[in-house]
This record gives sequence, C-alpha cells and structure tokens, in this order.
Amino acid sequence: GQNIDQPTEMTATEGAIVQINCTYQTSGFNGLFWYQQHAGEAPTFLSYNVLDGLEEKGRFSSFLSRSKGYSYLLLKELQMKDSASYLCAVRDSNYQLIWGAGTKLIIKP
Amino acid sequence: DTGVSQNPRHKITKRGQNVTFRCDPISEHNRLYWYRQTLGQGPEFLTYFQNEAQLEKSRLLSDRFSAERPKGSFSTLEIQRTEQGDSAMYLCASRLRESSYEQYFGPGTRLTVT
Repeated sequence: GQNIDQPTEMTATEGAIVQINCTYQTSGFNGLFWYQQHAGEAPTFLSYNVLDGLEEKGRFSSFLSRSKGYSYLLLKELQMKDSASYLCAVRDSNYQLIWGAGTKLIIKP
Repeated sequence: DTGVSQNPRHKITKRGQNVTFRCDPISEHNRLYWYRQTLGQGPEFLTYFQNEAQLEKSRLLSDRFSAERPKGSFSTLEIQRTEQGDSAMYLCASRLRESSYEQYFGPGTRLTVT
C-alpha cells in the first residue's frame, strides 16, 4: 500500500525554527510537495522537490532524500501566521498525489 | 479574481437528497481534480479530468458520485442519495499540464449531511 507519515501536531515558539518530517512509501516517485493549510481554507503550495537535496525559499526550506523515503520542511523565524497544518504529498507512478494527514503546527508567543 | 472558484461554499442537506457542486478552474488549466477532505486528514483523491475527458476515478468513490466537465472548462460533482458519511470539505484543484507541477486549489465546498 501507499503510506505518508508525518507527526500529527507540533508546537514551537515565535521567532524559533521548526522542522516537520515526512516519510513515505509509494508506488513510484515523481516528486514531493509541501502545502500549507490554514483552518477552514484550501491548501496553498509551498515547495516541490524531485531531486535529493535542499530547496530554499525565503523562510521556508524543504529537503528530500529519495533513498530514505524522507523529506522535511524547515520553517525559520516563525511568525504567529505560520500556525497552520502542513501537508506532505507525493506524486506516484501514475502522477497522482498521495497526501499525508498533515501536521498541525501551533506557534506560541 | 483569476483563481479557482467553487460554489456553493457551504451546503447543508438532509440524508437521501442529491447535491451538486460546481468548480471553475483557472481558465487556461486543462487538468482539473476533485478531492474530499475530512477534519484532521489530508485531501483524498476522487477523480480528475484532462480537458473534458475523465481520466481516472478513485476506487473509493461509490457509484453515488459522478463528475462531469462537459466543455473542458467548469466541472460539476454530484452526490446522489447523500449519507452522513459524505459530510466533508470537497476541494477542486486545477493545473496546467504543460507547465508547472503545482495544483491550485479552490476554497472548497463544505457539505453537511443531517
């Protein structure tokens, strides 16, 4: 079967750094995505990794290791508005997105 | 606004009734996806279209669900004989096949079946 695992919930402090991990087992791999979803809203795209390594985009970075079936999303200089769910999704051999359940990130002042 | 739009945003219906949702994708996007999302879960794939052709339908989707995209532009998702278990957020997303990998999501339709 196909499986995406990420922690259910994490808490961090405003101004700090947090790393959200994602491990996956899918039938084929054609890229890994991170989306942000605020409560009651639609997911919005954050990052895409298809090759191993780190992709940096402002305060957010995403890392991929295909051999380990592992990715993380790194958020720096946390702001209160970063409180949201972060969804990891893998595009499988059929180019369909397989989604994790999301990690709810709580930012405390 | 040139993003993905969905109507209605909220729908409350009684069990056994039929409901229909509409999605208007970004105009030049030829791929359109429907997902269902329940609280605390990621989106669950339902079906997708390339232009007017429905290319894939999830095996999890019962025959009470049907989707159309008659002219390759907007799409409708119909649920017949709704059940309480159908209560969820129904998300539509679109993508331009030839370019980016990113799917752009609409705001969703929240369905409550009483």
